[in-house]
Amino acid sequence: GQQVMQIPQYQHVQEGEDFTTYCNSSTTLSNIQWYKQRPGGHPVFLIQLVKSGEVKKQKRLTFQFGEAKKNSSLHITATQTTDVGTYFCAELGNTPLVFGKGTRLSVIA
Amino acid sequence: DGGITQSPKYLFRKEGQNVTLSCEQNLNHDAMYWYRQDPGQGLRLIYYSQIVNDFQKGDIAEGYSVSREKKESFPLTVTSAQKNPTAFYLCASSIARGAQYFGPGTRLTVL
Repeated sequence: GQQVMQIPQYQHVQEGEDFTTYCNSSTTLSNIQWYKQRPGGHPVFLIQLVKSGEVKKQKRLTFQFGEAKKNSSLHITATQTTDVGTYFCAELGNTPLVFGKGTRLSVIA
Repeated sequence: DGGITQSPKYLFRKEGQNVTLSCEQNLNHDAMYWYRQDPGQGLRLIYYSQIVNDFQKGDIAEGYSVSREKKESFPLTVTSAQKNPTAFYLCASSIARGAQYFGPGTRLTVL
């Protein structure tokens, strides 16, 4: 079935450092959604990317969809302790969302 | 307030008992979903429903059952046939193929 692979699985950064998580697929993705789950919480929708090469920004977060629509990335500039959590990518294809396993971000103050 | 609610937040059951998890939404969304999340893992789809009185199996439907008699409600029953039921269960809803809105989840522990 469909699979989206996320790397890295874990990332520990010092506060103020940048962070990037990658979402890869062997097949062309129709679109990508990104979610954030705080520790002990539930996933919260961040953004959806649809077009090849699309780049969207939300304050310190930059989301990118690859030209070939086989990968996507989320970059956080100058991380803060509020960025702690697990970031999931998910593909919405012909079936409901297929989630990656997520990247767990820890921020050391 | 519009939103999606799940109850209870924590649930304990003895092995061999069926248990039903509640999920209600007042967002007027047609589609609803149930996911299971195990520690350090992603979300795995159990069942989904795109319209009232219709639902489809997800990747791990065995040992679970659902109903969708009302647009607002999508309860999940964890049956005794589910071999490892202890997990975090998340319900979500969406408008068609848009963003999914998640409830706060139910942590089920089977003793």
